[in-house]
Amino acid sequence: GAVVSQHPSWVICKSGTSVKIECRSLDFQATTMFWYRQFPKQSLMLMATSNEGSKATYEQGVEKDKFLINHASLTLSTLTVTSAHPEDSSFYICSARGGSSGQETQYFGPGTRLLVL
Amino acid sequence: AQSVTQLGSHVSVSEGALVLLRCNYSSSVPPYLFWYVQYPNQGLQLLLKYTTGATLVKGINGFEAEFKKSETSFHLTKPSAHMSDAAEYFCAVSAMEYGNKLVFGAGTILRVKS
Repeated sequence: GAVVSQHPSWVICKSGTSVKIECRSLDFQATTMFWYRQFPKQSLMLMATSNEGSKATYEQGVEKDKFLINHASLTLSTLTVTSAHPEDSSFYICSARGGSSGQETQYFGPGTRLLVL
Repeated sequence: AQSVTQLGSHVSVSEGALVLLRCNYSSSVPPYLFWYVQYPNQGLQLLLKYTTGATLVKGINGFEAEFKKSETSFHLTKPSAHMSDAAEYFCAVSAMEYGNKLVFGAGTILRVKS
């Protein structure tokens, strides 16, 4: 149990286009989902926290108009990178909190690697 | 002050040798503590966690960690390293003072030599 999926796993896009990444909790309901960004050889940086049915809470320095987050259901959250630029190229990982282990445990998706040309 | 410190960004052990990855945290209240493993180009997989109760926790793949409050440590160990253990390991803490969000250490890359 407690599986989190992400789609797509890889995406290459042109500068100026928007990219949507989906995060799903497959076998549990997640009232809270998180989006992280990871640069090469670095740890995870929390971008935002999303709760089902409410607006996401963004970390300091993260542009909410640039990184649109929608948590429409208890099993789905989406991250849209709007007007992507090469500096947005990164590894994006989502996480969902919940499952049979309790609300203190976060389970992570496999990540989405974004390359903006 | 850094919330989670992982000593050693790279650790190298021989196959069959003891694995010890160090993690120290700072928290004014009892935290929840986690170890995650990340294989190349993949997300994070939960290895083990400490919430309450027994301070020695066992996880998957033969790993275990001990919560030592007096030392504010949660070191990860495995008696005998296997080649498949080569990966990056992240220690993380969750506590009310951090808004119950996971705060990660910088990570330790484990290399296993044959």
